[in-house]
Amino acid sequence: KAGVTQTPRYLIKTRGQQVTLSCSPISGHRSVSWYQQTPGQGLQFLFEYFSETQRNKGNFPGRFSGRQFSNSRSEMNVSTLELGDSALYLCASSLLGPPNQPQHFGDGTRLSIL
Amino acid sequence: TQLLEQSPQFLSIQEGENLTVYCNSSSVFSSLQWYRQEPGEGPVLLVTVVTGGEVKKLKRLTFQFGDARKDSSLHITAAQPGDTGLYLCAGYSGGSNYKLTFGKGTLLTVNP
Repeated sequence: KAGVTQTPRYLIKTRGQQVTLSCSPISGHRSVSWYQQTPGQGLQFLFEYFSETQRNKGNFPGRFSGRQFSNSRSEMNVSTLELGDSALYLCASSLLGPPNQPQHFGDGTRLSIL
Repeated sequence: TQLLEQSPQFLSIQEGENLTVYCNSSSVFSSLQWYRQEPGEGPVLLVTVVTGGEVKKLKRLTFQFGDARKDSSLHITAAQPGDTGLYLCAGYSGGSNYKLTFGKGTLLTVNP
């Protein structure tokens, strides 16, 4: 069974640009959550999508947005990139979503802002 | 904002030693999870504890959820180099707020 796939694995951007990251969940999983991981703040919840609807949102500025498609694949977009957006972005999928379903994480997209 | 404090932040031990990692909060969590993350990979779920006082064992790993559901510990017996990694605790606060809050992790290095 294929795991959670995130593309691309690495990305380098400059300040002011925008970026789109992609996440393909495990087949059959309908919930996708996104997290930002940095050395200083650790893992922080961005948002969760279920059946194309955003169900939960973390405390991030509006520059961070996402969406989910009918096949459960999800994308997150960050506009007007800042140096502080450099991080590992992780997505996790689960069958029906939190809190009772185990989440399966992808290996992340490493975003570096120059 | 509900916080999970993990201690110690770093731990370097020799193969065969025992260790305990702690995860504490001033808030009550409806459930608590432990993950292990290796370099270049995403976190992998080890266990979920949901009942106050619950103890779960996974081979040489023992997980405990505090009676008041505000803290948890992970004990590893006879650590092996393969146990090396970042150990993360994470919890759900319950209600309709299904945001998973993570601690900052304990980076464990087991030297052969």
